[in-house]
Amino acid sequence: SQQGEEDPQALSIQEGENATMNCSYKTSINNLQWYRQNSGRGLVHLILIRSNEREKHSGRLRVTLDTSKKSSSLLITASRAADTASYFCATDAPGTASKLTFGTGTRLQVTL
Amino acid sequence: NAGVTQTPKFRVLKTGQSMTLLCAQDMNHEYMYWYRQDPGMGLRLIHYSVGEGTTAKGEVPDGYNVSRLKKQNFLLGLESAAPSQTSVYFCASSTTGAGGYTFGSGTRLTVV
Repeated sequence: SQQGEEDPQALSIQEGENATMNCSYKTSINNLQWYRQNSGRGLVHLILIRSNEREKHSGRLRVTLDTSKKSSSLLITASRAADTASYFCATDAPGTASKLTFGTGTRLQVTL
Repeated sequence: NAGVTQTPKFRVLKTGQSMTLLCAQDMNHEYMYWYRQDPGMGLRLIHYSVGEGTTAKGEVPDGYNVSRLKKQNFLLGLESAAPSQTSVYFCASSTTGAGGYTFGSGTRLTVV
């Protein structure tokens, strides 16, 4: 079963705009991670936020976490065509040997 | 280049045939994982290992076996391939504790 559900399933924006993706999950977590997957490639780790953190930044990425609502958001600012990819959230639950459970992903298309 | 290497990259099997997918990592990571990715379903964990000589079942283990005889290698076996095992298979590794995964580039398997 999927722990995370991303919203929206697909998002199309123009270069320079901001992109926001949301993730909801079901159970308590140790941390939540975001990954990017370019078409036909493996996943690349973007950012990790721990359950006791509320916000984290990395370059043009901003992640928030609300454990009371069991939700997270990923904001990509000033998007570029190279940001076109699928984005997945993944959760690491307590007592699971650091196994990650992935959501179904958001497909982001950034056009010129 | 350091990372996770998967072989082969593509394979077509006939129903009932067997094969082994190899995953090798050179980062001295303790934990290794096998996932499958199907359209619209995100990634699902097949089997994982928390160290040399250990293996454990994930969410969808049926029809697969694994071995971790050496720390750097994690093998995924299909004893009798079925069309339902047509998928893209990803191997990943991580250090102990909470942290991001490093993924391989995937193996696209088609069972006819």
